[in-house]
Amino acid sequence: DTAVSQTPKYLVTQMGNDKSIKCEQNLGHDTMYWYKQDSKKFLKIMFSYNNKELIINETVPNRFSPKSPDKAHLNLHINSLELGDSAVYFCASSLLMGATEAFFGQGTRLTVV
Amino acid sequence: ELKVEQNPLFLSMQEGKNYTIYCNYSTTSDRLYWYRQDPGKSLESLFVLLSNGAVKQEGRLMASLDTKARLSTLHITAAVHDLSATYFCAGGRDDKIIFGKGTRLHILP
Repeated sequence: DTAVSQTPKYLVTQMGNDKSIKCEQNLGHDTMYWYKQDSKKFLKIMFSYNNKELIINETVPNRFSPKSPDKAHLNLHINSLELGDSAVYFCASSLLMGATEAFFGQGTRLTVV
Repeated sequence: ELKVEQNPLFLSMQEGKNYTIYCNYSTTSDRLYWYRQDPGKSLESLFVLLSNGAVKQEGRLMASLDTKARLSTLHITAAVHDLSATYFCAGGRDDKIIFGKGTRLHILP
């Protein structure tokens, strides 16, 4: 019974391709996030959603488009992939935005070649 | 805007020793969190600190919060190899959870 699940776990693709990462949480949380972890392990917030509504977009290129069909799902679509997009992408959820701990998915390691 | 700074970023220590990781944050934070990440794994929540003076302990780890100094600490007592991991502190504010850069802790047997 995984609380926050992401698919796929690994994604290797060529520059210029379009790819999606899916995320689902079964915790009943209202808030979901996407974080990017670079090769130095720095975690940077990309997006926050609350009840399917985009709340925060942290100056992420518009090639990244999150979509939340319902509050249990937050998918990330990336167009025209670039080498610099290679990273681990984590989905997370929390009960309240910023005010309660976030629970993380297992991460998606994206490698752009 | 909330900024979270941890130090040290790298720490190599002997088993059995005590050490402290420091986390400073730049402005009022609603909450302070500590997470652990093992290599190639996800982040695991360790502690949530809600108010000034809060102290929480789990095994050899103890976290505390001083909101006046805008400082949280993670103290490791009598370190064991199994505690080797990257530890992140994070602050919650303005609908976000902002992470520090993490402290890579390596405990030598």
